[in-house]
Amino acid sequence: DIQMTQSPSSLPASLGDRVTITCRASQDIGNYLRWFQQKPGKSPRLMIYGATNLAAGVPSRFSGSRSGSDYSLTISSLESEDMADYYCLQSKESPFTFGAGTKLELK
Amino acid sequence: EVQLVESGGGLVKPGSSLKLSCVASGFTFSSYGMHWIRQAPKKGLEWIALIYYDSSNKYYADSVKGRFTISRDNSKNTLYLEMNSLRSEDTAMYYCANMPGWGQGVMVTVSS
Repeated sequence: DIQMTQSPSSLPASLGDRVTITCRASQDIGNYLRWFQQKPGKSPRLMIYGATNLAAGVPSRFSGSRSGSDYSLTISSLESEDMADYYCLQSKESPFTFGAGTKLELK
Repeated sequence: EVQLVESGGGLVKPGSSLKLSCVASGFTFSSYGMHWIRQAPKKGLEWIALIYYDSSNKYYADSVKGRFTISRDNSKNTLYLEMNSLRSEDTAMYYCANMPGWGQGVMVTVSS
C-alpha cells in the first residue's frame, strides 16, 4: 500500500503568514494527489486536485505544488477562515490513502 | 450543485449488520465513480471503498475487505454500503463522496 506521510501534524501560525503543509508519498503517485480542508463538525472540502489544480471556488491564496515525491499545500497569506484540518489523499491506486492530517491553528 | 445525502446509520451491537444509503443529485451520478470514507471520533479520514461509474470495478480498504460491500443503483441515483460483522472499531462518521463533493455524513456506532 502507498503510505502518505503528512507533516507537520500541528501548525501554529499568525494571520497573514505564509504556511506550507507537505505530504510525502512512499511510491510514485504521479499527480494523483488531492488536498482537503475540514472545519470542525463539517464535511471535508476539496481544495486542490491533480496536485496543482485549484478546485472551484477556492481562494487564489491556496496553491499546490510537487517536487518529486513531496507534495505541498501552501497558503500565501493566512486568513482566519483558513483555520482547519487539512488532509492529502493519493488516488493513484487502491487502497487510496489519506495523510494523517495537519491542524492549522492560530498562534 | 452537488448534493449527497447519506442515511441508515445508528447504534448497533458488535457482529451486527447495517446498510447505508447515499442519494445523489445535482450531477450525472451514472458518470462518476463513488467513494465511501469514514472518520472515527476525533481521528483522521480513512478511505474505505470505491465503485466505478458502471459498477465494473470495486475496491476496498483492507480494514473492511470481506465485511463491507459497496454497490450502486444508477436508476435511483443511489450509492450503498452494506456492512456486516461490525466491530467497535467501525464506529465512525461515514461519508459518501464523488470527490469533489461530499455528503454531510452519517454516524455509525458499534457498541454493546
